[in-house]
Amino acid sequence: ELKVEQNPLFLSMQEGKNYTIYCNYSTTSDRLYWYRQDPGKSLESLFVLLSNGAVKQEGRLMASLDTKARLSTLHITAAVHDLSATYFCAVDDSGNTPLVFGKGTRLSVIA
Amino acid sequence: ETGVTQSPTHLIKTRGQQVTLRCSSQSGHNTVSWYQQALGQGPQFIFQYYREEENGRGNFPPRFSGLQFPNYSSELNVNALELDDSALYLCASSPRDRVRGYTFGSGTRLTVV
Repeated sequence: ELKVEQNPLFLSMQEGKNYTIYCNYSTTSDRLYWYRQDPGKSLESLFVLLSNGAVKQEGRLMASLDTKARLSTLHITAAVHDLSATYFCAVDDSGNTPLVFGKGTRLSVIA
Repeated sequence: ETGVTQSPTHLIKTRGQQVTLRCSSQSGHNTVSWYQQALGQGPQFIFQYYREEENGRGNFPPRFSGLQFPNYSSELNVNALELDDSALYLCASSPRDRVRGYTFGSGTRLTVV
């Protein structure tokens, strides 16, 4: 059974600081997704990582995937208040299996 | 391209009633998945449809059922509603190769009283 673990689950950061969210998963997979969710809203796709060593960046967020370590990271650079949200990583094995989500990291960026 | 559309956006039902939620997939996407997200939790997989056939099911009882239509739109039906069914129900569509990942709809907030 595929398991996905995120840490930390809660993160309070000061504006301007850097931090990393970690996502570990339990089976071999080369497809990992990061989503953002604002309170009461749906999931917004941030990154799709499709191969070992994949690195993608958008604004202050950068995601990477190490399939050998079964680890993905979401790095936040110089945080701003607008980044406050819950971030989920999700993994699927082959498309015939469901997308399995981590519990999410609730990020709060404070002044 | 149009995104994933879900209806209704909010719904209040009484315990024991039945509910149908609807989802129109994004153009070009032939796979639809449904997820249940309880407050403060990550989404949990309910089932997936590919070309009108159920193609995977999570740990949900049979009173959760679904359909996919020839135009790839989908319905989620829940019978004999229980209080614990109160959640955000999310529909996601994708092409079979998932190269661009899954596109989620805005969700239906179901409250069972």
